Amino acid sequence: QTVVTQEPSFSVSPGGTVTLTCGLNSGSVSTTYYPSWYQQTPGQAPRTLIYNTNTRSSGVPDRFSGSILGNKAALTITGAQADDESDYYCMLYMGNGIVVFGGGTKLTVL
Amino acid sequence: EVQLVESGGGLIQPGGSLRLSCAASGFTVSSKYMSWVRQAPGKGLKWVSSLYSGGSIYYADSVKGRFTISRDNSKNTLYLQMNSLRAEDTAVYYCARVIAMAAYYFDYWGQGTLVTVSS
Repeated sequence: QTVVTQEPSFSVSPGGTVTLTCGLNSGSVSTTYYPSWYQQTPGQAPRTLIYNTNTRSSGVPDRFSGSILGNKAALTITGAQADDESDYYCMLYMGNGIVVFGGGTKLTVL
Repeated sequence: EVQLVESGGGLIQPGGSLRLSCAASGFTVSSKYMSWVRQAPGKGLKWVSSLYSGGSIYYADSVKGRFTISRDNSKNTLYLQMNSLRAEDTAVYYCARVIAMAAYYFDYWGQGTLVTVSS
């Protein structure tokens, strides 16, 4: 069974930099999985942040960036702001119409 | 402007059936890949099903044989027929548009509709 792993929680100071990661229990994450990242605040629908590893969705501030770091996909927030406090989900495309989400990372800005 | 509006959620007893709708505007559902994603209370996002423009259909193992995805081109609407519902199907159900050209991601999401399976 494919499991996509994310840190359950992370904390960052306002103005600080944080990197959230997205791994795969069966091996390395590469660009062929088309990693994407979504931000969700309580009671709201997810918002698309990053797709195709490192492309920002329309309207997403450039303090959000995506990459492959080692064997994982990564979402870096540079200069974190209070309203970045959210849940962040990565998603990988496994082929044959199947996508798998990570368990999500709850980011606290304090 | 692209919009997705889900409806049809509610309280249903275990073993019952429910049909969710996702009315789209700003684009043609039949020309895009579309998906359903759900989120149980306090839990993460889980992919449920996808319907491709060419008619290919995919389901998560947890709903295979119980859920059916479909679309009505005349109404520009995506559906999810849910049968034999279980308590573990309780979730907010989102429809989402898929972009699958040299990428694979959800670019637009609806606001979600809550399905509660309980006696």
